[in-house]
Amino acid sequence: AQTVTQSQPEMSVQEAETVTLSCTYDTSESDYYLFWYKQPPSRQMILVIRQEAYKQQNATENRFSVNFQKAAKSFSLKISDSQLGDAAMYFCAYRSLYGKLTFGTGTRLQVTL
Amino acid sequence: GAVVSQHPSRVICKSGTSVKIECRSLDFQATTMFWYRQFPKQSLMLMATSNEGSKATYEQGVEKDKFLINHASLTLSTLTVTSAHPEDSSFYICSAPMTRSRDNEQFFGPGTRLTVL
Repeated sequence: AQTVTQSQPEMSVQEAETVTLSCTYDTSESDYYLFWYKQPPSRQMILVIRQEAYKQQNATENRFSVNFQKAAKSFSLKISDSQLGDAAMYFCAYRSLYGKLTFGTGTRLQVTL
Repeated sequence: GAVVSQHPSRVICKSGTSVKIECRSLDFQATTMFWYRQFPKQSLMLMATSNEGSKATYEQGVEKDKFLINHASLTLSTLTVTSAHPEDSSFYICSAPMTRSRDNEQFFGPGTRLTVL
């Protein structure tokens, strides 16, 4: 079974600074998807960014980018120019091609002035 | 993006009663929907996969007779918590993959907070 590990229960970043959230996963599959989801206080799950494992290029969505290291099974999220609205729980998730999502335990991100 | 709704958003019930939660895909059809449970300050745990026209598939440790799932149509799945107890109090979230989207992107409902007294 696949597992997803987020080793940082909480992180804090100052507004306008950059923060990196860590995620590692375990799988024996060669093709899969990785995701970062944001869950604000409203608890609505919001897709932040996705990465297809067969693509070597790291995904980027505006201020959000990932560092995908397939051999190391590492998938970190970098948030640049942090904003107060970025404060939320962030979940890393794994999904095989047509399978179910497996979530990590989450990282609570605080953004300070 | 696609929209998935859940109803009700909050429900409070007495111990021993049953509660039904609806999950609807508003602008696309979903032959599969997923039901998750999230306890406070914890991650989402998959409970079951709802399949239109067939029985749901439950994850290990989830009681089928307690959490009844019915996928009545291509846009509606319901989760019924039968004989609810205080330990069933949790946040329940559904999601539906849009098969015509790139990589079957899953869209999440806003969740239902269940409190059992």
